[in-house]
Amino acid sequence: DSGVTQTPKHLITATGQRVTLRCSPRSGDLSVYWYQQSLDQGLQFLIQYYNGEERAKGNILERFSAQQFPDLHSELNLSSLELGDSALYFCASSPTARLNYGYTFGSGTRLTVV
Amino acid sequence: DQQVKQNSPSLSVQEGRISILNCDYTNSMFDYFLWYKKYPAEGPTFLISISSIKDKNEDGRFTVFLNKSAKHLSLHIVPSQPGDSAVYFCAAPQGGSEKLVFGKGTKLTVNP
Repeated sequence: DSGVTQTPKHLITATGQRVTLRCSPRSGDLSVYWYQQSLDQGLQFLIQYYNGEERAKGNILERFSAQQFPDLHSELNLSSLELGDSALYFCASSPTARLNYGYTFGSGTRLTVV
Repeated sequence: DQQVKQNSPSLSVQEGRISILNCDYTNSMFDYFLWYKKYPAEGPTFLISISSIKDKNEDGRFTVFLNKSAKHLSLHIVPSQPGDSAVYFCAAPQGGSEKLVFGKGTKLTVNP
């Protein structure tokens, strides 16, 4: 158990629908990162929050949004889902800006859009 | 534009032999590099890192080598064990930020 909790583990939904993925960071970590891993792709950075504020943005679609709550958990909202959004979505956390030891990843949410 | 590239999607080695996983990068401004290991149905786990001011970092059976002139790094696993079978990703922080850029990964299979 990495200490980063992601729910749900699996999600199957239809095109056009909206889903929310949840992430609880490791205790004491202030930064939360969201990554997408599609088939045959590496991990693509979506967005980062630090202590409740958006800190960095990657190639995140306008249909996607995220937030980090006062208790530091984060949610990634995916709307108007398309087949191509099917992927593994990983959340990671880190204590501060120092990354010499890397993030701690959760086990991911597998989203299947049918 | 893929800044971190792992050109070998897979590698198969015998138990006890050396595994060498390679990674090339295009951005000479990366401050350090990281290797992650990922088992099926799990998230990636941090394995080892190396600062751009070093050319080698060792941790037990794992050693990472950095060749800045060639913009190339490699991860050596000696001796390889069946439990090392996983997908290995190299990564680097982009632009002084906390955003990590990942390669597409190399699937290592260590055969008993």
